[in-house]
Amino acid sequence: RKEVEQDPGPFNVPEGATVAFNCTYSNSASQSFFWYRQDCRKEPKLLMSVYSSGNEDGRFTAQLNRASQYISLLIRDSKLSDSATYLCVVFHGSGNTGKLIFGQGTTLQVKP
Amino acid sequence: GAGVSQTPSNKVTEKGKYVELRCDPISGHTALYWYRQSLGQGPEFLIYFQGTGAADDSGLPNDRFFAVRPEGSVSTLKIQRTERGDSAVYLCASSLVPGQGARREQYFGPGTRLTVT
Repeated sequence: RKEVEQDPGPFNVPEGATVAFNCTYSNSASQSFFWYRQDCRKEPKLLMSVYSSGNEDGRFTAQLNRASQYISLLIRDSKLSDSATYLCVVFHGSGNTGKLIFGQGTTLQVKP
Repeated sequence: GAGVSQTPSNKVTEKGKYVELRCDPISGHTALYWYRQSLGQGPEFLIYFQGTGAADDSGLPNDRFFAVRPEGSVSTLKIQRTERGDSAVYLCASSLVPGQGARREQYFGPGTRLTVT
């Protein structure tokens, strides 16, 4: 079983739609949580951090449920430019060491 | 400002050959990470440097893989006796300090696409 599990999709949605991605992680000692965005044949880039209290950045809302070890990303009013792969990422380590563990990624295709 | 750079951007090599992949982190970043991304998968951790030393090399798949960072800046990932299964995109990332949190955000380079024929 992978440490971070995501539905690979693809999710095909029309412009303006609301779409939600979910992810589960298996290591309860994981300390930090993120969503990264990766465009085709490009490097991953940090989209947003995820907190138990939930956080919002414009059309994007991320939520963490530590009890269920579940992370979500909601995108409202989808734009064509949102088409990309969204990677669920957890960090675990101790002190000043640690590493990012990536999920497989969920592919989103927004259609006109 | 300059981001993380990696060279070459593409490398095609024959099975059994030796390859070196270079990463130039953001100036002043003390932490450097190597990841490998196979088609359709997320990046997979290989090794992490804090300064010149490898603080965690638990992700290196076997002893054919080795990485160095002799002066605490540029790093080289070395693969001996390459196999077809080594074909992937090798990503390098750096952060201002190691660990988690805003100052510890990892910035990725564009990657080296390695193809072993």
